[in-house]
Amino acid sequence: NAGVTQTPKFRVLKTGQSMTLLCAQDMNHEYMYWYRQDPGMGLRLIHYSVGEGTTAKGEVPDGYNVSRLKKQNFLLGLESAAPSQTSVYFCASSYSGRRDYGYTFGSGTRLTVV
Amino acid sequence: DAKTTQPPSMDCAEGRAANLPCNHSTISGNEYVYWYRQIHSQGPQYIIHGLKNNETNEMASLIITEDRKSSTLILPHATLRDTAVYYCIVWINTGKLIFGQGTTLQVKP
Repeated sequence: NAGVTQTPKFRVLKTGQSMTLLCAQDMNHEYMYWYRQDPGMGLRLIHYSVGEGTTAKGEVPDGYNVSRLKKQNFLLGLESAAPSQTSVYFCASSYSGRRDYGYTFGSGTRLTVV
Repeated sequence: DAKTTQPPSMDCAEGRAANLPCNHSTISGNEYVYWYRQIHSQGPQYIIHGLKNNETNEMASLIITEDRKSSTLILPHATLRDTAVYYCIVWINTGKLIFGQGTTLQVKP
């Protein structure tokens, strides 16, 4: 049972390049989320999904797109990377409607845009 | 979702109890109080949650006031490995878990 796996763990992009971050969970969780964390700050929600084929905007969605084609995967895309998107990105998942269970987070993807 | 207020930082001596406060004065009746922590740059880790009653698990205890406007996370015997940022969150599992700034707990030898 791997939990939540994020790939890649590290990446350096040039301004204007595109990339996709992959989040995979093997816990059959319905809900999945993407957060970003900047130095000295808390986590900010980018996008989330409450089930396969659904996505919704969080606090800071601009510049990002997401897709949830399969229940176990949640993809975060940067179409044209900007230096302001340099951050650590965390994926998380949870059961739907289960208040007795928290989120499970991945170990993060450290992205630098130069 | 209700917002929370936490002190930005706290110190605790190793082996002593760490008591981390959280104010959530606008919490609604069906919102739970959750606590997470983030050690260094790792992904946040779930600690405990509660609705009305006090809760205890192998990691910590959660004390919620009767009016539910505040709560305290208690680490009974803090160790150096408990040094982390602790986040208090109120949530009804609508799919939008919003983190605040948290409290940086420094456990000192």
